[in-house]
Amino acid sequence: GAVVSQHPSRVICKSGTSVKIECRSLDFQATTMFWYRQFPKQSLMLMATSNEGSKATYEQGVEKDKFLINHASLTLSTLTVTSAHPEDSSFYICSARDKAGGYTGELFFGEGSRLTVL
Amino acid sequence: AQSVSQHNHHVILSEAASLELGCNYSYGGTVNLFWYVQYPGQHLQLLLKYFSGDPLVKGIKGFEAEFIKSKFSFNLRKPSVQWSDTAEYFCAVNARRDDKIIFGKGTRLHILP
Repeated sequence: GAVVSQHPSRVICKSGTSVKIECRSLDFQATTMFWYRQFPKQSLMLMATSNEGSKATYEQGVEKDKFLINHASLTLSTLTVTSAHPEDSSFYICSARDKAGGYTGELFFGEGSRLTVL
Repeated sequence: AQSVSQHNHHVILSEAASLELGCNYSYGGTVNLFWYVQYPGQHLQLLLKYFSGDPLVKGIKGFEAEFIKSKFSFNLRKPSVQWSDTAEYFCAVNARRDDKIIFGKGTRLHILP
């Protein structure tokens, strides 16, 4: 099946620093990628929808200046958590939709990135 | 706005028991519906999906789900569960005109051997 790779899988940083998480679709083209945040024992909360070559669409309550999303190519999207604080500690998951699948295409998920801000 | 509600947060069953996990969504337009599973220590993977046609959808590992439009429901079923079905199950909805996929809060399923 299609593979989505996230890197890094774990990152620990100091408060105030910025962290970049990469999401790559390895064997398909993804016009749309989604970034989710998962709190312990809770569901995935959609943060933003990222379309290749255009600005991301953020969900209500998600600070776009804090969570910078760039979808530079059909196989790569990045999430940068700027000036991270302990409350940003979470599990961030990206997913990608196969361009060939259109609206009916399933989402393929990355392994997730656990961010811990000290 | 779309929303997805999963009624059971934690379900415990014995092996061979039948399973039904409830999922309701709120959205008036055309939707695609999904069930995803997350096994311990693994990433999310698709169990099954509905986008048109036969409302009874069969997925992997013996799972099936039925889309009942009048009830805005997409319940997941399996006639006889196995210990290896222990996982967290997420229902998700995609409003076609919206393109984004919204997840329910998940149901943690624990199968006793």
